[in-house]
Amino acid sequence: DAGVIQSPRHEVTEMGQEVTLRCKPISGHNSLFWYRQTMMRGLELLIYFNNNVPIDDSGMPEDRFSAKMPNASFSTLKIQPSEPRDSAVYFCASSPSYFGKSETQYFGPGTRLLVL
Amino acid sequence: AQSVTQLGSHVSVSEGALVLLRCNYSSSVPPYLFWYVQYPNQGLQLLLKYTSAATLVKGINGFEAEFKKSETSFHLTKPSAHMSDAAEYFCAVSGDDKIIFGKGTRLHILP
Repeated sequence: DAGVIQSPRHEVTEMGQEVTLRCKPISGHNSLFWYRQTMMRGLELLIYFNNNVPIDDSGMPEDRFSAKMPNASFSTLKIQPSEPRDSAVYFCASSPSYFGKSETQYFGPGTRLLVL
Repeated sequence: AQSVTQLGSHVSVSEGALVLLRCNYSSSVPPYLFWYVQYPNQGLQLLLKYTSAATLVKGINGFEAEFKKSETSFHLTKPSAHMSDAAEYFCAVSGDDKIIFGKGTRLHILP
């Protein structure tokens, strides 16, 4: 299996621009997670989906962030408008079943975002 | 609610020496505990996990961790460090509906 695929791997944009990050989970996995990693705050869970339905978006920082999962093989995380403080590495992860306490998550390689 | 604390943001050990990375957790329900490793410019990958079976958990690459309820700890060890172990290690706890990651410990291997 190809693993979790994220695109782009690197993104440089200017403040105020819209940014769209993409994720393809492992085929057959039913849960999908978006994380943000920064030096200051570490790894933060932004949102997760079960069977394409958003379950918990309490980690989404503000209304500028939105996430969708139109089907089982694709998800997007959008930031509009972007700000310099959004600069971070964004990870997508998937797990085989409905999110449970013991589930292993499989992470993508991440998208490194720099907002100037 | 749960939380996890990793003691030491950076740990340096000599090649061949014992690796010990510390993790303490708190959880209001019986926890599930994980160690993940992140190599440069890569995503996290699972090293091992504790799911209430054996308290000593063996993982990949010679790592193991012991769940100690009385100490609320889940420290990661490896008897002999290898240069390829240089990476960042994350402890995570899952209790309620969330999984919480620690801030990470960067492991440096000295030749």
